[in-house]
Amino acid sequence: GENVEQHPSTLSVQEGDSAVIKCTYSDSASNYFPWYKQELGKRPQLIIDIRSNVGEKKDQRIAVTLNKTAKHFSLHITETQPEDSAVYFCAASMSMGYGNKLVFGAGTILRVKS
Amino acid sequence: DAGVTQSPTHLIKTRGQHVTLRCSPISGHKSVSWYQQVLGQGPQFIFQYYEKEERGRGNFPDRFSARQFPNYSSELNVNALLLGDSALYLCASISGVTDTQYFGPGTRLTVL
Repeated sequence: GENVEQHPSTLSVQEGDSAVIKCTYSDSASNYFPWYKQELGKRPQLIIDIRSNVGEKKDQRIAVTLNKTAKHFSLHITETQPEDSAVYFCAASMSMGYGNKLVFGAGTILRVKS
Repeated sequence: DAGVTQSPTHLIKTRGQHVTLRCSPISGHKSVSWYQQVLGQGPQFIFQYYEKEERGRGNFPDRFSARQFPNYSSELNVNALLLGDSALYLCASISGVTDTQYFGPGTRLTVL
């Protein structure tokens, strides 16, 4: 079936430490994996994405890794700051024939303590 | 994503009523998706439209319907509202180049 599992559900780190969030997906045909950050009462905001033809992508303090064989991808945030506190969602694209839908994980609440 | 607009921002309805939610995508985008986000969960796919044609439908009852207009804006309709329909309804504008989905601010629906 279509499923994306995300762990952990909550993560508390000290300011300056690193945070890692992991996701696994079920559809081996998935080829696009975005990560969204959602602050309280706000819209999900795309922070980084990766496609299946690469294994890693970095954007300043944020990086994503993809292991297609294991159907596993991860978000890495280095040098965390209080403003990184939010809910983070991973997603995997799944084909509907003529288009792709996103299947989301359940989310990770990240708390950065200063 | 700043260009995706949704209306209204908030809505309160009672059980049995119907509701219409509206979305305007980013200029140049021809495809939109609708998602339902229940508090504490990730968004769940409801519909996708491209050039006024339905491309896909999620696991939602027939009470949910949608359409897309020639200007690529879209409406989501929900009939016979249930308490469980209370959620944040998100519209995503989809890039025709990268297939990236950018979310609008959402409509917070409360069913009493």
